[in-house]
Amino acid sequence: QSVLTQPPSASGTPGQRVTISCSGSSSNIGSNTVNWYQQLPGTAPKLLIYSNNQRPSGVPDRFSGSKSGTSASLAISGLQSEDEADYYCAAWDDSLNAHWVFGGGTKLTVL
Amino acid sequence: QVQLQESGPGLVKPSQTLSLTCTVSGGSISSGDYYWSWIRQPPGKGLEWIGYIYYSGSTYYNPSLKSRVTISVDTSKNQFSLKLSSVTAADTAVYYCAMGGAPGAPLDYWGQGTLVTVSS
Repeated sequence: QSVLTQPPSASGTPGQRVTISCSGSSSNIGSNTVNWYQQLPGTAPKLLIYSNNQRPSGVPDRFSGSKSGTSASLAISGLQSEDEADYYCAAWDDSLNAHWVFGGGTKLTVL
Repeated sequence: QVQLQESGPGLVKPSQTLSLTCTVSGGSISSGDYYWSWIRQPPGKGLEWIGYIYYSGSTYYNPSLKSRVTISVDTSKNQFSLKLSSVTAADTAVYYCAMGGAPGAPLDYWGQGTLVTVSS
């Protein structure tokens, strides 16, 4: 059971816009920034979005992030076949036992 | 660009200690610009952060693993290491090292990961 809640799956057709949600609580998303990671099949995770909505150099602007209250979202516009991957949200949790927490991951399928 | 590479045994017996090393290239751990983390992913499951270390040797561990985890750093070799004691089958996972992971700071770059299986 992951601390952050993501839908297990999402799908879309090429060119579509899809969103992936990430729900947390006041001790994590509610008080800290959210990062998103993309994990292509058989590879290591890669930083996709940091500080809620910032893209590292090299990440296409088709990827965008947002945060409101204790929830965050990742949006992918102009969906491409190479976007098929697992996506994870993460945030620092300030609870008594502070540590990084992740969502359970969302498997994105491009139909 | 910074690159990270995990190394260590791929098979560990139950109750023994898992030991992995991460070698950093293209950047210096001693620069003090980043923290250095370990994360794991059981087969077919999600990610779990294990802990981080700073070049000074300061560490912070996931409370759920704290009693069994030790992370250390060797700045002369530009490496940091993970030891996880008293392993069970539940510790079977792909183990990743990464640059970053301080509270609020992202995990910027990841190693390719190494599968460690706990089995007799």
